[in-house]
Amino acid sequence: KQEVTQIPAALSVPEGENLVLNCSFTDSAIYNLQWFRQDPGKGLTSLLLIQSSQREQTSGRLNASLDKSSGRSTLYIAASQPGDSATYLCAVDSGYALNFGKGTSLLVTP
Amino acid sequence: DTGVSQNPRHKITKRGQNVTFRCDPISEHNRLYWYRQTLGQGPEFLTYFQNEAQLEKSRLLSDRFSAERPKGSFSTLEIQRTEQGDSAMYLCASSITGGALFYQGQYFGPGTRLTVT
Repeated sequence: KQEVTQIPAALSVPEGENLVLNCSFTDSAIYNLQWFRQDPGKGLTSLLLIQSSQREQTSGRLNASLDKSSGRSTLYIAASQPGDSATYLCAVDSGYALNFGKGTSLLVTP
Repeated sequence: DTGVSQNPRHKITKRGQNVTFRCDPISEHNRLYWYRQTLGQGPEFLTYFQNEAQLEKSRLLSDRFSAERPKGSFSTLEIQRTEQGDSAMYLCASSITGGALFYQGQYFGPGTRLTVT
């Protein structure tokens, strides 16, 4: 069974800092990995999708990398802003179901 | 493209009652998924459809849970004889198939928050 772990569980940073969120998974036989953002009480917003054949994807201030062999992905957020405050979820697709970590709760203070 | 929609957004029910949630996927998406999310956890997969066929349902939480997608468009998730432990956010997602060239990931709706009293 695929296990997904996200570290840290919570993070508080001042505005402007660059930060890294970590995701690890136990089974490297994956189709793709998706990073989501979730605001309190809301649904999930897809941020980045990395196919299993890719090493990284970029969107604006976000960059996600994937190392299948070591079972790791990182989400890099550049120049953080208070509007980035949310929970960030990593999800591994092993065929159809997404297996999620518990998320990293990010607070960016002005 | 109006995104994935779910109704109702909130549902309060008494223990023992039946509830039904509806999900309308993105129109060109042929796959539809249901997940459940409890406080402080990531979403947990329940079931999925490809067109009208339910291809995986072994992870539905109990036989009180059932889902349908009768014409390959919208889907319903029903919980019979609700229990307090069913209180959670129920999320629907949709996607297309067709290999890596076309796949763009799963897109989620806003969820239905169920409270069982």
